[in-house]
Amino acid sequence: DTEVTQTPKHLVMGMTNKKSLKCEQHMGHRAMYWYKQKAKKPPELMFVYSYEKLSINESVPSRFSPECPNSSLLNLHLHALQPEDSALYLCASSQEPQGIEQPQHFGDGTRLSIL
Amino acid sequence: GQSLEQPSEVTAVEGAIVQINCTYQTSGFYGLSWYQQHDGGAPTFLSYNALDGLEETGRFSSFLSRSDSYGYLLLQELQMKDSASYFCAVSPYGGATNKLIFGTGTLLAVQP
Repeated sequence: DTEVTQTPKHLVMGMTNKKSLKCEQHMGHRAMYWYKQKAKKPPELMFVYSYEKLSINESVPSRFSPECPNSSLLNLHLHALQPEDSALYLCASSQEPQGIEQPQHFGDGTRLSIL
Repeated sequence: GQSLEQPSEVTAVEGAIVQINCTYQTSGFYGLSWYQQHDGGAPTFLSYNALDGLEETGRFSSFLSRSDSYGYLLLQELQMKDSASYFCAVSPYGGATNKLIFGTGTLLAVQP
């Protein structure tokens, strides 16, 4: 088990549905991340939140909408997704770096399938 | 841009030593990290090199040479549970220190 909890573990949705992915950590980390990972590929950064503010958006389509309600929670709202969005969505957290890199702690991910 | 290349697959036997290489083209970065990911699981942080040289953590060691644009992860006394994907990763200069770019990944298969 990891210290970063993601729900649901699996999600199947149609292209017209709206759903949300949730991520929670209680390590006091102030940086949180969303990654997308396709099979046999590395994780690709989507968003970074630092102190509950969006600090990095890697040109992600607007059908993905992140939200950070507080320092422990991170959501990813999904709407009108495409079949190519089917992937493993990973959440991670870390200490907020102070000029040096901090290791990231990952959740087990949500495996998303778009019909 | 940045690119980090790794061998796609490596096979070794239990008890052996294996080296997973990471060669990169990037203008500069804070350090080189290594992550392990079992099939269907979460990536797990293994090691970090901020400076050139060797870092040892139990059975795992990691090496960085910025002058050679090269790093590697060394796994000793291989165990079956080491079968997993391994990724090198960097945080490039010019961006936030918490922006990680992952290498292409290496699938390690440990055989009995």
